[in-house]
Amino acid sequence: RKEVEQDPGPFNVPEGATVAFNCTYSNSASQSFFWYRQDCRKEPKLLMSVYSSGNEDGRFTAQLNRASQYISLLIRDSKLSDSATYLCVVNYNAGNMLTFGGGTRLMVKP
Amino acid sequence: EAQVTQNPRYLITVTGKKLTVTCSQNMNHEYMSWYRQDPGLGLRQIYYSMNVEVTDKGDVPEGYKVSRKEKRNFPLILESPSPNQTSLYFCASSLPGTNNEQFFGPGTRLTVL
Repeated sequence: RKEVEQDPGPFNVPEGATVAFNCTYSNSASQSFFWYRQDCRKEPKLLMSVYSSGNEDGRFTAQLNRASQYISLLIRDSKLSDSATYLCVVNYNAGNMLTFGGGTRLMVKP
Repeated sequence: EAQVTQNPRYLITVTGKKLTVTCSQNMNHEYMSWYRQDPGLGLRQIYYSMNVEVTDKGDVPEGYKVSRKEKRNFPLILESPSPNQTSLYFCASSLPGTNNEQFFGPGTRLTVL
């Protein structure tokens, strides 16, 4: 079983749609959580951190459920420019070792 | 401009020919790491370094070496590359601590024939 699991997609949605991704992690000692965005084999870039209380950044909302060990990302009013792969990332030790999910590919169509 | 640079960006080589991929960051970050990304397997950590002269194995260290003689540089060395090391490699750096953003380099696409 992978430590961080995501549905690889692709999720094909029309512009303006709301789309949600989930990610599950296996290590209950995980300490911090992130969503990174990766465009077409370019480098990953931080989209947002995920806090226990949930957090929002514009059209993006991230939630963490520690009891069920999953993280979610909600994108409202999808734009063409949101098309990318979204990586769920977990840090489960005191250092900076990150464990990446395989990514969920989103394609927003006109 | 704050950035992580990698060289070369693309490399085609043959089995057994030693190579080095350089990584440099200008953000004075203590932490640096190397990942490889393969289809269906995601990003996997090869080696990481918490500071100068401090390195440790990640999840897939076999066939790789690293060194951290200076804070800004963290080269990845393949002493005897093999075809299963064909991959997309990313270097990353960050400040210490579990909640800090990792900044990635642009990637190095390596093909070993």
